[in-house]
Amino acid sequence: EPEVTQTPSHQVTQMGQEVILRCVPISNHLYFYWYRQILGQKVEFLVSFYNNEISEKSEIFDDQFSVERPDGSNFTLKIRSTKLEDSAMYFCASSESVGTGNQPQHFGDGTRLSIL
Amino acid sequence: GESVGLHLPTLSVQEGDNSIINCAYSNSASDYFIWYKQESGKGPQFIIDIRSNMDKRQGQRVTVLLNKTVKHLSLQIAATQPGDSAVYFCAEKGSGYSTLTFGKGTMLLVSP
Repeated sequence: EPEVTQTPSHQVTQMGQEVILRCVPISNHLYFYWYRQILGQKVEFLVSFYNNEISEKSEIFDDQFSVERPDGSNFTLKIRSTKLEDSAMYFCASSESVGTGNQPQHFGDGTRLSIL
Repeated sequence: GESVGLHLPTLSVQEGDNSIINCAYSNSASDYFIWYKQESGKGPQFIIDIRSNMDKRQGQRVTVLLNKTVKHLSLQIAATQPGDSAVYFCAEKGSGYSTLTFGKGTMLLVSP
């Protein structure tokens, strides 16, 4: 069964450093998402991406965050200058469609980001 | 603000029992709901979904019920197995938007 894959599984970074989290969505999916989950808390939406542009973003997704689809398969999340509070699990997800043709979002197993 | 919440943080059942996990939502404009299962160290795994024009949907051993009058969603798992032990999240999506809003999660513990 096709799945969303994320790399690395664990990333340790010094505060203030840039980090890039990588995702390969399911190949026929058109919509891509990033979520995060701080330890012991619920999953929170960060950003959605369609047709090479951001379609929605949350308050968490400030100027320090950016997303990119550099080629036909990868989808990346960049944090420019990491803060301690960025420590969390970051999940990538993808779906075939949204709106009236709702299809479920399928998630990867996440990247654990630890900021020191 | 709008939110999705769960009534019970932990549910303990015996193997073979039927389990019911509940979820209350407050956004009456939500048109799509999903139940996810999350095992330790893994991402949310899709279980079953339901659109707002339905009140019941069945999958393999799972049934989702939607009561829009009281804004309540439930997940029923038949013949619960130890492998069903995980945290279960409900998630809702507002009409016309792509964002999923997750509830806090319920831990299901299944004893052999």
